[in-house]
Amino acid sequence: KNQVEQSPQSLIILEGKNCTLQCNYTVSPFSNLRWYKQDTGRGPVSLTIMTFSENTKSNGRYTATLDADTKQSSLHITASQLSDSASYICVVSSNNDMRFGAGTRLTVKP
Amino acid sequence: DTGVSQDPRHKITKRGQNVTFRCDPISEHNRLYWYRQTLGQGPEFLTYFQNEAQLEKSRLLSDRFSAERPKGSFSTLEIQRTEQGDSAMYLCASSKRQLAQYFGPGTRLTVL
Repeated sequence: KNQVEQSPQSLIILEGKNCTLQCNYTVSPFSNLRWYKQDTGRGPVSLTIMTFSENTKSNGRYTATLDADTKQSSLHITASQLSDSASYICVVSSNNDMRFGAGTRLTVKP
Repeated sequence: DTGVSQDPRHKITKRGQNVTFRCDPISEHNRLYWYRQTLGQGPEFLTYFQNEAQLEKSRLLSDRFSAERPKGSFSTLEIQRTEQGDSAMYLCASSKRQLAQYFGPGTRLTVL
C-alpha cells in the first residue's frame, strides 16, 4: 500500500470554479510535505512546501493545508484557469526518504 | 524554466539496445536524483547522488541500469539490453542538501 494516497484520482471542473485535492499519508517520521504541479510531458514543479508546524500556505491561487495530527493535506485551487489542467502530486518527506503520491489529474474545461 | 536540463527529451529504441540519458543539474546543487514515471503514476525513486557519491539505489534499479556522476556535476543513466517494460519517463531532479528538489523536463523512453 502506498504511503501517500491522493484523491480524487481525476477531476473535471469548469473554468472559474474552485476545487480541493486531498492527500493522506502514513509516512513517519514526518519531515515536510510538498505539492507539485506536473504538466503533461514535463517534470513536476514545486507549488508549496510545508513543515510540521505550518497549517496553511498560499502560492497565488493555490492554498495548501496540513493537519499533521490526522496526517492529511489538501490543495485548494481558487478561480481555476485552463492552465491549471495538470497532475498535482503530493510528496511527503521523511529524513532522506521521499514518498510520492500517484497524483490527481485535474482538467479545467471552458 | 527550473534550470535542470535533460537530454534527449525523447528516445525511441528497439528492444535489446542500450540507451544513455544525461542530466545537468542546477550548478550549485550537490544532490542529484533519478526517477522513473509511468503514465498516471507519481515518480518512482531510482537513485541519488550527493556530489559524486551514489548514496542510495532503489530495488527498481536492476543490474541493467547504471548511473554515474563522475565529477559531481552532470549525471548519466544507462539502460542496457532495454526491455519494453523500460518504457517510461525518466526524470532527473537536483537539490541543495535536503531542500526542495527541482525537476528537469524528463526523457521519454519508448522501447519497441
